[in-house]
Amino acid sequence: DAMVIQNPRYQVTQFGKPVTLSCSQTLNHNVMYWYQQKSSQAPKLLFHYYDKDFNNEADTPDNFQSRRPNTSFCFLDIRSPGLGDAAMYLCATSRETSGVTDTQYFGPGTRLTVL
Amino acid sequence: AQKITQTQPGMFVQEKEAVTLDCTYDTSDPSYGLFWYKQPSSGEMIFLIYQGSYDQQNATEGRYSLNFQKARKSANLVISASQLGDSAMYFCAMIWALSSGYSTLTFGKGTMLLVSP
Repeated sequence: DAMVIQNPRYQVTQFGKPVTLSCSQTLNHNVMYWYQQKSSQAPKLLFHYYDKDFNNEADTPDNFQSRRPNTSFCFLDIRSPGLGDAAMYLCATSRETSGVTDTQYFGPGTRLTVL
Repeated sequence: AQKITQTQPGMFVQEKEAVTLDCTYDTSDPSYGLFWYKQPSSGEMIFLIYQGSYDQQNATEGRYSLNFQKARKSANLVISASQLGDSAMYFCAMIWALSSGYSTLTFGKGTMLLVSP
């Protein structure tokens, strides 16, 4: 089945220790997104890639970076995690990002704990 | 600015009954789309149903239907014959096109649905 996969499902890191979250997709979609979702809140878009074109949201902290080496994979790097970065990180994909019919399909998420 | 409002923090329903989850939205754009997602405690956001602003018919997907009232700017989700597995957080979301040419998705705050036996 075509899907969005995130690894690991649970990640524990120490304050200030860099961490990388991984997302892969078998849908062959052009667009990949990273969302941050804190407890009892709605997901918040951090950035997205349209193919290799990177688009950062204006309020995404510099501490968050992303890489997309190929169509299938996308990584979220948190350079110096703080306690406030503990959250669920959701990866999503869509075929396009230029219309109002583009359904986003989400992975299972990575729950990040910062000690 | 575009906005999605879900006024019900939590809803309770008995198994096999129908339930309506409310969603209102605000936009001045004529072209937009509305989604409902389900998020169980495991965390995955599961796409349920989509309604386009120009669609004449209300969307339906199995036990899910979207009651789209464009003049009232509401897009309520109706779940018929509730099942225990329907217990989850439900998010309403709206997609619209930015001036950059990209489209963006904005979520409401969600409604927690609990289905009891």
